[in-house]
Amino acid sequence: AIRMTQSPSSFSASTGDRVTITCRASQGISSYLAWYQQKPGKAPKLLIYAASTLQSGVPSRFSGSGSGTDFTLTISCLQSEDFATYYCQQYYSYPPRYTFGQGTKLEIK
Amino acid sequence: QITLKESGPTLVKPTQTLTLTCTFSGFSLSTSGVGVGWIRQPPGKALEWLALIYWNDDKRYSPSLKSRLTITKDTSKNQVVLTMTNMDPVDTATYYCAHALGGSGSRYYFDYWGQGTLVTVSS
Repeated sequence: AIRMTQSPSSFSASTGDRVTITCRASQGISSYLAWYQQKPGKAPKLLIYAASTLQSGVPSRFSGSGSGTDFTLTISCLQSEDFATYYCQQYYSYPPRYTFGQGTKLEIK
Repeated sequence: QITLKESGPTLVKPTQTLTLTCTFSGFSLSTSGVGVGWIRQPPGKALEWLALIYWNDDKRYSPSLKSRLTITKDTSKNQVVLTMTNMDPVDTATYYCAHALGGSGSRYYFDYWGQGTLVTVSS
């Protein structure tokens, strides 16, 4: 199975900061990568698919990049509502063996 | 507007079979390129994909759980049912169903999720 590794696992930042989260796949997945945001007690919310395509309704301060094995999620100017846990997920495997990263918890400094 | 909602027992005993129902609206599971998946999340842990059923009734399962899972759909009722046999305390988790959208190469991502349902396995 393809292993997804996120870094860091957690970190603190301040409102207005620019932050980047990294996701690395154990083998090449082309651009079949999605990013989700999850707040406590809530379901994950799709932010980005195909590595860099912004889901409808998601603020433009979120962006994604990468292909192959290395990917990043960037939040250009942190807002208070962005403090949450972020997951990457590969959907390259076929037959599907979808796997998620372990999550990155973004906390207020 | 796509919505999904999970329903089923909140508590099951070890060795029992869990049956969860996902009732959805805003799309048809007979439309090409659409699927419904199940994903779970143990308390405080990461997400784990379980199963996916496609618009054409093709079904795929997590290899590690394949022997215990069955996914079916009832297109007329807009429902997808997941059964998991031989439940164990380690299966305690929030179970989510999600709308899946297919891109190139039959690779699907999850764009809308239900609110989730917490299932506890305990005697």
